[in-house]
Amino acid sequence: SQQGEEDPQALSIQEGENATMNCSYKTSINNLQWYRQNSGRGLVHLILIRSNEREKHSGRLRVTLDTSKKSSSLLITASRAADTASYFCATVWQGGSEKLVFGKGTKLTVNP
Amino acid sequence: GAGVSQSPSNKVTEKGKDVELRCDPISGHTALYWYRQRLGQGLEFLIYFQGNSAPDKSGLPSDRFSAERTGGSVSTLTIQRTQQEDSAVYLCASSLSQRTIQYFGAGTRLSVL
Repeated sequence: SQQGEEDPQALSIQEGENATMNCSYKTSINNLQWYRQNSGRGLVHLILIRSNEREKHSGRLRVTLDTSKKSSSLLITASRAADTASYFCATVWQGGSEKLVFGKGTKLTVNP
Repeated sequence: GAGVSQSPSNKVTEKGKDVELRCDPISGHTALYWYRQRLGQGLEFLIYFQGNSAPDKSGLPSDRFSAERTGGSVSTLTIQRTQQEDSAVYLCASSLSQRTIQYFGAGTRLSVL
């Protein structure tokens, strides 16, 4: 079964608003990554946060990681219609196989 | 190459036929991954190759699925005796090494009729 669980499953907002997506996981991790997928095809890496980091920024993206709660959040500020996509968190287990374990994703719709 | 290349982009096959899906990773990337994504779902890990090490096949759903990576570069995912439940997008990714960013191809959409 997949380790990550994103919340909410779907999110619809207006352009200019902020979008927050959450991810929970079950075991100790080495790092957590967020990916974006347009139209059900290839994924694009957005940001990686290591287990010893608490917050990371990249442009309009802000990621937080709380290892005590085994959760992460992705904030997209000042959203644009072009941000419409599915967003997935993925974890690399600590001490386990090196494969990424993906959640089911949050489908974000930004209305113009 | 400039990115991860997968072929074909779409494949329609009849139930019971074998199919081969190809992945050409980014040059120099030692790690290569295959995932399956059913409609509206997340990614399911299938198999992972790292350098010359034995592949991690723990995600392969049945013995009808196999994959190989020749010369540490191109990989082929083979599905024998396809079933309708095999219909999905099959995604390949490569990375410089373990635990780093993965770069994905556009995927192969497989439809089993």
